[in-house]
Amino acid sequence: SQQGEEDPQALSIQEGENATMNCSYKTSINNLQWYRQNSGRGLVHLILIRSNEREKHSGRLRVTLDTSKKSSSLLITASRAADTASYFCATAPLIAGNMLTFGGGTRLMVKP
Amino acid sequence: GAGVSQSPSNKVTEKGKDVELRCDPISGHTALYWYRQSLGQGLEFLIYFQGNSAPDKSGLPSDRFSAERTGGSVSTLTIQRTQQEDSAVYLCASSLGPGQGFAGYTFGSGTRLTVV
Repeated sequence: SQQGEEDPQALSIQEGENATMNCSYKTSINNLQWYRQNSGRGLVHLILIRSNEREKHSGRLRVTLDTSKKSSSLLITASRAADTASYFCATAPLIAGNMLTFGGGTRLMVKP
Repeated sequence: GAGVSQSPSNKVTEKGKDVELRCDPISGHTALYWYRQSLGQGLEFLIYFQGNSAPDKSGLPSDRFSAERTGGSVSTLTIQRTQQEDSAVYLCASSLGPGQGFAGYTFGSGTRLTVV
């Protein structure tokens, strides 16, 4: 079963606009991560936010985490056509080491 | 190596045949994971190796699936008597272990398995 569920499943925007993707999860976590996948192959790690953090930035990416609501959001500002990809959230549980559980992903299309 | 290497990148096999998929993790990464991804879906956890500990096999879908990791490095995922529903992209990832400064997974490019 999936721990993380992304919303929306698909998102289409124009270049220059901001893209926001949301992730909800069910059980307590150690950290939450976001990954990008191009062309259905290997995923690339984008950012990790720990359970005691509320917000984190990396370049054009901004991630928030609300542990009381068991939710996270990924904001991509000033989107580019090259940001077109699928984005997955993944949660690391409190126990069971670093094994991640991935959500179903959000497919983002940025139109030039 | 510089990244996680998987081979083959594509594999077409006949139903009923056995296949072996290989993963070469980043040197020094003690943790290794196998996931699979069906078309347009999320990642399904298969198995997790951490150092010399017994692997977590809780995600293996049937006893036709097995994996080993030799010498704490290269891993092989074996699927016996393949079925059409085994068709998917099989992704391997490695990472530092707990307490080593874990900062996320590094994924390989995957093996696309097609069972005909």
